[in-house]
Formats: sequence, structure tokens, C-alpha cells
Amino acid sequence: QVQLVQSGADVRKPGASVKVSCRSSRYTFTTYYIHWVRQAPGQGLDWMGIINPTGGSTSYAQKFQGRVTMTSDTSTSTVYMELSSLRSEDTAVYYCARGGIIPNLHEAFDVWGQGTMVTVSS
Amino acid sequence: DIQMTQSPSTLSASVGDRVTITCRASQSISSWLAWYQQKPGKAPKLLIYKASSLESGVPSRFSGSGSGTEFTLTISSLQPDDFATYYCQQYNSYWRFGQGTKVEIK
Repeated sequence: QVQLVQSGADVRKPGASVKVSCRSSRYTFTTYYIHWVRQAPGQGLDWMGIINPTGGSTSYAQKFQGRVTMTSDTSTSTVYMELSSLRSEDTAVYYCARGGIIPNLHEAFDVWGQGTMVTVSS
Repeated sequence: DIQMTQSPSTLSASVGDRVTITCRASQSISSWLAWYQQKPGKAPKLLIYKASSLESGVPSRFSGSGSGTEFTLTISSLQPDDFATYYCQQYNSYWRFGQGTKVEIK
């Protein structure tokens, strides 16, 4: 069964950075885009950005520009999302999700990771 | 940016009811719209893509319709497993979700 498996929960202090991983299995990692979506407690879904695992090209939502970096490691079929200059408002569950077959961007998200809770607290 | 507005925000219904959720886009998105179901503590699950295509494995009581700026998700006969929050998502230009509709027990 196709899966995206994310790293475990993390607690960070304000001003620090966090790096969340998302490992894919049972499909060709380099074939599909990967997206990152976050969800603050009790809130809706917020799209953060997209990465092409082959070559690592990215596009980020404007609200995260300058603070988010998405990377990929094809040798381990893993993508990473790093968010810097953390503040309390970044406390959320972070999800990775599979998008379209490259280069088709017009696709919904058919496979999701289990989510990673990131807590920002002093 | 394309804004997505769902209504209602909360819906109270009983098992067996026909339920309809509406999603409006601030500009035309053709049929590039998906619907997701999310239960507490779980990742969203894709139900409908391209406005009206049923994702594999999703029960046929779920259906989607619309194009342009107006879309609906219909559950023909609400089942106990369907009490959850539903999100629409446009993927015409970047990706953006509606604010969600919580379907709760009446």
C-alpha cells in the first residue's frame, strides 16, 4: 500500500527551526510532486508549498516565503520541510501529501502522511 | 489569490439524511476542485476530485457537482461514519482549501 511516513512530534523554542521528514514507500518517489499542508489546533488546512523530488524545484505559499525550505533526498525517497524563525502561531500539525504525476500540477492530494505535531513554546 | 468559501460552517443532521455542502470560488477554477473528509486526529482523506470524480474506494453515497465558481458535495444518505469535517480545495492556481464544514449529529 502506498504510504507517506512522517517523523515524530517535536517541541521547539521561539526563534528556533524545525525540520520534518516525509518518507515515501511502495511507489516511484521521483514520479509525483509532494506538498506540505499545516493545520493549527482547531483550524483549517493551510497549503505551504510543493516540491518536485527530482531536481528539488519548489514553490512556496507567499505567507511562508523566506521561512520555509523544502528539500528531497532521492536515495532515501524522503522529502524534508524546514521552517525557521518559529513563533507560537506555528504550533500545528504538519502534513505531507502526494500531488500529481510530474509535470501535471492539476491534481488533488491522494495520499497523506500521518501528520507531525510541532509545538512552539518557551 | 483564489479564495474558497464553504457553507455552512456547521451542519447538524441525522443518520439517513441527505446532506449538501456548498463551496464557492472567488474566480473560475473550471473543474479543478476536490473534496476531503477529515476526522479528529487523522489526516484528510480524498473523496472527490475534478469536481465530480469519485476517488477509488469511496462509497457511492458521496457525489460532487459544479464547475466554474459553484460546487456542491452531496451525501445521499448520511451514515454514522460520515460525521466529520469536510473541506473543498481548488487546484486551478496553486492550492487552497475552504474553511471547512463540520457535519455533526443532530
